[in-house]
Amino acid sequence: AAGVIQSPRHLIKEKRETATLKCYPIPRHDTVYWYQQGPGQDPQFLISFYEKMQSDKGSIPDRFSAQQFSDYHSELNMSSLELGDSALYFCASSSATPSGNTEAFFGQGTRLTVV
Amino acid sequence: AQKITQTQPGMFVQEKEAVTLDCTYDTSDQSYGLFWYKQPSSGEMIFLIYQGSYDEQNATEGRYSLNFQKARKSANLVISASQLGDSAMYFCAMSSDQTGANNLFFGTGTRLTVIP
Repeated sequence: AAGVIQSPRHLIKEKRETATLKCYPIPRHDTVYWYQQGPGQDPQFLISFYEKMQSDKGSIPDRFSAQQFSDYHSELNMSSLELGDSALYFCASSSATPSGNTEAFFGQGTRLTVV
Repeated sequence: AQKITQTQPGMFVQEKEAVTLDCTYDTSDQSYGLFWYKQPSSGEMIFLIYQGSYDEQNATEGRYSLNFQKARKSANLVISASQLGDSAMYFCAMSSDQTGANNLFFGTGTRLTVIP
């Protein structure tokens, strides 16, 4: 079965550069979530989208922005990168139903290293 | 505010034996969902099992079962017949979203090592 696809899998950027992470949800999933997991840390919720609209917002820095496109894929844009942004970035997707969302599946993550 | 506590930083279990990973939670929400995820050393986050706060039966998924004790606010994961491939970090998580993955609060994780 198709899973959540994230690209790139690994990314190395310098301080103050920008980065764009992409997430392709499971087909027919309309909800996308972004999480950040620092080294040795638990994942932290950043932001989520449902039907191309922002659904909920967590601890996403102002330097980051995200959107969901008409084909339901999502992009996380990160500007003025800092060393502390080095982390594993997960995307997850689920499908909204009248009784709530289906279970969410995570992608394999994008490992961002800022040098 | 929601909080998840996993008090076992590391656990060891003999292959083919059962193991229980502890998770307690705190929330003022009446409706919430509890999740367990597995994160192998390769880094991906794998969904294992889900329990809704209104579910009366404990969730089971193959070798995984969730021992849900609502009054004690605990949601322990039981893995039966451990396999070497079960060695990984295990995260307990909670959301007021019932399902999905909106605003999941994660615990600090338990690293499970299965010994041959």
